[in-house]
Amino acid sequence: GEKVEQHESTLSVREGDSAVINCTYTDTASSYFPWYKQEAGKSLHFVIDIRSNVDRKQSQRLIVLLDKKAKRFSLHITATQPEDSAIYFCAASTASSSFSKLVFGQGTSLSVVP
Amino acid sequence: EAAVTQSPRSKVAVTGGKVTLSCHQTNNHDYMYWYRQDTGHGLRLIHYSYVADSTEKGDIPDGYKASRPSQENFSLILELASLSQTAVYFCASSDSGQDTQYFGPGTRLLVL
Repeated sequence: GEKVEQHESTLSVREGDSAVINCTYTDTASSYFPWYKQEAGKSLHFVIDIRSNVDRKQSQRLIVLLDKKAKRFSLHITATQPEDSAIYFCAASTASSSFSKLVFGQGTSLSVVP
Repeated sequence: EAAVTQSPRSKVAVTGGKVTLSCHQTNNHDYMYWYRQDTGHGLRLIHYSYVADSTEKGDIPDGYKASRPSQENFSLILELASLSQTAVYFCASSDSGQDTQYFGPGTRLLVL
């Protein structure tokens, strides 16, 4: 089955710098790649996603890149702020029209330091 | 915004005892999921359901049962709790045809 590897377990950046979190997946049939954020002591919430028909998607300060050939996708957070500090999870699925069974990476703990 | 609630929020159980974790959603979503979160493993899918009175096995179903008595409610049952089931459990829901999952606040389970 699908396996998702999240390469950085922890990441520390200075406020205002960019942060990059990298993930790889194994199943070439995967076509949907969301990112979720978990703030300290809280639940996960969706932040951004990308589908396999595009290789780049941006939402404000978040950019997701997808390299299908390398089976790799990444989350770029530009102009980081302290409130970006959280655990970020990447995930992959072979999304159908009715169901999205997500396989999650292990999570990256991002710290934005002043 | 989607609303998923879980109860209890934390629980201490004894090895060999029965534990029931409950999840309730008011989103009118068809799909509901149970995940466990362990340090270093991210979230792993235990069971899911796409319609009332039916459940499906996820990636790590051993030692767990699930029940979906209605569209709104989805329970996770540990018949014989074990130490290895100490974890944080998240429930989530999603709409048919929509990929975004909405997560509950989590239940922290400690098995002694």
